[in-house]
Amino acid sequence: DAGVTQSPTHLIKTRGQQVTLRCSPKSGHDTVSWYQQALGQGPQFIFQYYEEEERQRGNFPDRFSGHQFPNYSSELNVNALLLGDSALYLCASSLDLIYGYTFGSGTRLTVV
Amino acid sequence: GESVGLHLPTLSVQEGDNSIINCAYSNSASDYFIWYKQESGKGPQFIIDIRSNMDKRQGQRVTVLLNKTVKHLSLQIAATQPGDSAVYFCAEIPSGTYKYIFGTGTRLKVLA
Repeated sequence: DAGVTQSPTHLIKTRGQQVTLRCSPKSGHDTVSWYQQALGQGPQFIFQYYEEEERQRGNFPDRFSGHQFPNYSSELNVNALLLGDSALYLCASSLDLIYGYTFGSGTRLTVV
Repeated sequence: GESVGLHLPTLSVQEGDNSIINCAYSNSASDYFIWYKQESGKGPQFIIDIRSNMDKRQGQRVTVLLNKTVKHLSLQIAATQPGDSAVYFCAEIPSGTYKYIFGTGTRLKVLA
């Protein structure tokens, strides 16, 4: 049974560019949450999607947006990239809005 | 503001000894707490959770203790093994929200 799958695993972007990260939830899970983890820090909540709608959002600017598809997969989009956006972006899926998160291995984004 | 902090950034223990990792949380309205383990290059892995109506919960080789009076959480690992070497995060979920608030993490090093 595949867990949470994220793609790509690594990518490098230039300041000002836009990026799209993808997440396929664990089989049977319908809720997807995104987190940003800076080097040496704990993950920070970006937002959560359930039933194709954003249920809650963390303290991130509007440059960060997302989408959930009918098959429960999700995308995270970041516009006008800044150097400070360099981080590991984690996707977590669950069958419940709060409990039973399963994290993917993340996408390492480097902005140069 | 909201924060979950850890007292020790690095903990070194001898193989076979017990480990105790501590965490202080700031939101008295949090009603669910989780410990995660993160190995290099991987996403956080669930270890054990506890709800605010409990003081203690045991798993396989792990025990979580919750002291709501002083807003303190601890993770005890019995007979620590080399495979336990990782960064450990505590996370709290404030009541009425869907977001996990993570601390900065404690690195556990197991010495042979």
